[in-house]
Amino acid sequence: GAVVSQHPSWVICKSGTSVKIECRSLDFQATTMFWYRQFPKKSLMLMATSNEGSKATYEQGVEKDKFLINHASLTLSTLTVTSAHPEDSSFYICSATLGGRNEKLFFGSGTQLSVL
Amino acid sequence: QKEVEQDPGPLSVPEGAIVSLNCTYSNSAFQYFMWYRQYSRKGPELLMYTYSSGNKEDGRFTAQVDKSSKYISLFIRDSQPSDSATYLCAMSVRGNKLVFGAGTILRVKS
Repeated sequence: GAVVSQHPSWVICKSGTSVKIECRSLDFQATTMFWYRQFPKKSLMLMATSNEGSKATYEQGVEKDKFLINHASLTLSTLTVTSAHPEDSSFYICSATLGGRNEKLFFGSGTQLSVL
Repeated sequence: QKEVEQDPGPLSVPEGAIVSLNCTYSNSAFQYFMWYRQYSRKGPELLMYTYSSGNKEDGRFTAQVDKSSKYISLFIRDSQPSDSATYLCAMSVRGNKLVFGAGTILRVKS
């Protein structure tokens, strides 16, 4: 099956600093990747859709200047949480589609961000 | 009303039991129905993928879709402690983003 690698799996940072999370499709090319946020015991909340070579599309209510997304290649998308604050602490998960089919999403292992 | 409703549980069953997990939805345009399994602090893993109505079986897992009732189910036979996880249903209209349920926590006791 398709493998999506996400790093780091856990990061702790001080308030005001920026954190970058990487998402790679290891054995396939992903023209589209998605970034989700998940709170404890809650479902996945789509933050943005990342398309290779173009600007990301953000969901309503997601600050694009705080959550910078770059999709520079067909196998790599990054999410940078800028000037992180404690309320940004959450579990962030990326996913990629196989064959451009949004119905078949393959997820990374997630990144737990804790902002002190 | 949420587009997709899923009982959060937790659902506790003894090892070997048949587990039934369900979701209801309100958007009759949904065509694709998926079940994901998520272990604690891990990304979801695609378990079952179904297009339109009907049944699909894969090993111990069976997915059912009843579009007339807007109801989908996932059955797990001979449940094992390793099946303990959160199960998320998801659905979409072709080409559109997935809509997830809140997830049901399943605990299989040995």
